Amino acid sequence: RKEVEQDPGPFNVPEGATVAFNCTYSNSASQSFFWYRQDCRKEPKLLMSVYSSGNEDGRFTAQLNRASQYISLLIRDSKLSDSATYLCAVTRSGGSNYKLTFGKGTLLTVNP
Amino acid sequence: NAGVTQTPKFQVLKTGQSMTLQCAQDMNHEYMSWYRQDPGMGLRLIHYSVGAGITDQGEVPNGYNVSRSTTEDFPLRLLSAAPSQTSVYFCASSYSQREPQHFGDGTRLSIL
Repeated sequence: RKEVEQDPGPFNVPEGATVAFNCTYSNSASQSFFWYRQDCRKEPKLLMSVYSSGNEDGRFTAQLNRASQYISLLIRDSKLSDSATYLCAVTRSGGSNYKLTFGKGTLLTVNP
Repeated sequence: NAGVTQTPKFQVLKTGQSMTLQCAQDMNHEYMSWYRQDPGMGLRLIHYSVGAGITDQGEVPNGYNVSRSTTEDFPLRLLSAAPSQTSVYFCASSYSQREPQHFGDGTRLSIL
């Protein structure tokens, strides 16, 4: 099982739709969780960190389920500008160091 | 407000040539890392550093060297370029390995 796996997509949704992405992780010792957004030919940018209690930022909601070892990202009322690749990232401890591993990303296209 | 600065943005090399990709950050971040991103492979960690004078290997270190003589700079050296190293390279930094990372805008490297 890969350390971090995401829905491969692509997701094509109309404007205004609600879309959800999941990301599973294999190591139960994982400690920090993030969602990044990457536009075509650009660098990844942090969208939001994911906290145990779940967190919301406007139209975006992130949740963590430690028991089932997955994180999710929900986008409500999709906008054309939400079209991008969404990457999940997970940090786990490896001795004295922590290792950040990214999923391969899910491509979202929001259509007019 | 520079953040993470990578140079050059584009480079074409011949097989066997060597070169150094530069990365500098002005946020006083202790943790810095180098990733490569290839189609279908996601972001893969090459090398990372938890502070000046300390570096370690990531997932795909072969063919690359790094050093960290100052907090600000973390150059990546290709010793003898090979076509398999054609990729987009991202440098990233954060306060610690458990914090979200800030990415530079990438170096697009082609090796002929």
